[in-house]
Amino acid sequence: GAGVSQSPSNKVTEKGKDVELRCDPISGHTALYWYRQSLGQGLEFLIYFQGNSAPDKSGLPSDRFSAERTGGSVSTLTIQRTQQEDSAVYLCASSLEKNGYTFGSGTRLTVV
Amino acid sequence: QKEVEQNSGPLSVPEGAIASLNCTYSDRVSQSFFWYRQYSGKSPELIMSIYSNGDKEDGRFTAQLNKASQYVSLLIRDSQPSDSATYLCAVRPSNYQLIWGAGTKLIIKP
Repeated sequence: GAGVSQSPSNKVTEKGKDVELRCDPISGHTALYWYRQSLGQGLEFLIYFQGNSAPDKSGLPSDRFSAERTGGSVSTLTIQRTQQEDSAVYLCASSLEKNGYTFGSGTRLTVV
Repeated sequence: QKEVEQNSGPLSVPEGAIASLNCTYSDRVSQSFFWYRQYSGKSPELIMSIYSNGDKEDGRFTAQLNKASQYVSLLIRDSQPSDSATYLCAVRPSNYQLIWGAGTKLIIKP
């Protein structure tokens, strides 16, 4: 597609429920990144996919977080047993090798 | 630990003046440098990239890179209220991942 597409744009969930966030990167972009941004804070790296290589999961804050990328394209970030501290905007970005990143519009997650 | 440092601000600049945003980085082998603009409630948007020492101009924006001193800056000429945003500096060392600064909040006063 023309840009990075994320869905849903907003998600309100009850504490303890599981959520899935979807990212559809720009066609042909080999790298895909997930970040989290809390209100007024900087970007917090979560996970990075590059081609067929094993993902860099070093930023995932706990084992409740997982992500996969199917067919080198669409990615899903899953948060199990959500907690209130998981409330944030989750941003997906993609890039082509050494170029800059293009971000999606994000998913605003609110855990109540 | 690779680091990118920015003054968090806010940096307040009168409309029509030049806004100067600075960024320093720790990894000497960094190869690519980027400036992003993030409006409140929006995603970061790439506005400038620079790869070699010197200046790169694009409209009202000029990026400056000095690898010997390990700093990169962004100048915004004829600042407009619409330039009010947080500006993120990002640096790419040898691999594909960007290292991000925390951002500088810029306020353009009419």
